[in-house]
Amino acid sequence: GQNIDQPTEMTATEGAIVQINCTYQTSGFNGLFWYQQHAGEAPTFLSYNVLDGLEEKGRFSSFLSRSKGYSYLLLKELQMKDSASYLCAVMDSNYQLIWGAGTKLIIKP
Amino acid sequence: IAGITQAPTSQILAAGRRMTLRCTQDMRHNAMYWYRQDLGLGLRLIHYSNTAGTTGKGEVPDGYSVSRANTDDFPLTLASAVPSQTSVYFCASSEGTSNEQFFGPGTRLTVL
Repeated sequence: GQNIDQPTEMTATEGAIVQINCTYQTSGFNGLFWYQQHAGEAPTFLSYNVLDGLEEKGRFSSFLSRSKGYSYLLLKELQMKDSASYLCAVMDSNYQLIWGAGTKLIIKP
Repeated sequence: IAGITQAPTSQILAAGRRMTLRCTQDMRHNAMYWYRQDLGLGLRLIHYSNTAGTTGKGEVPDGYSVSRANTDDFPLTLASAVPSQTSVYFCASSEGTSNEQFFGPGTRLTVL
């Protein structure tokens, strides 16, 4: 079966760095997406990785290792507004997104 | 209209009733999707459409139907609602099937 695993909840301090991990087992791979979802709102796109390595976009970076079925999202200089759920999703061989349950990130002052 | 809109925002429905959730996008995206989101679970694909005139079944299609008569609209119909269909429903669209998806604000549906 297809499976995406990520921690249920993480806590970090304002101004710090946090890494959210995602491991996956899917039938085929056509890229990995990270989305941010604030409570009661829709998911919004953060990043896309299809090749191994690190993609940096401002305070957010995303890493992919296809051989290990592993990705992480790195958030630097955390701000209170970063409190949200972070969703990992893999595009399978049918170009359908398989979603993890999301990691709820709590930022403390 | 900017992006994707969904209607209604929320709805309480009696079991057995028919309900259509509306979704409209103005980005001229080819692909559209319907997901449901339940606590503790990831988004699950109900139905999708890669282009106007075509539709396909996702992971959890039973009890739902869709149509794609034109590029902009992608309604989701519950023929006879059941309590297990209580969920938050998100419509999304993408330019192509391998591109990032843009989500509507969601419809919170409660079936009693």
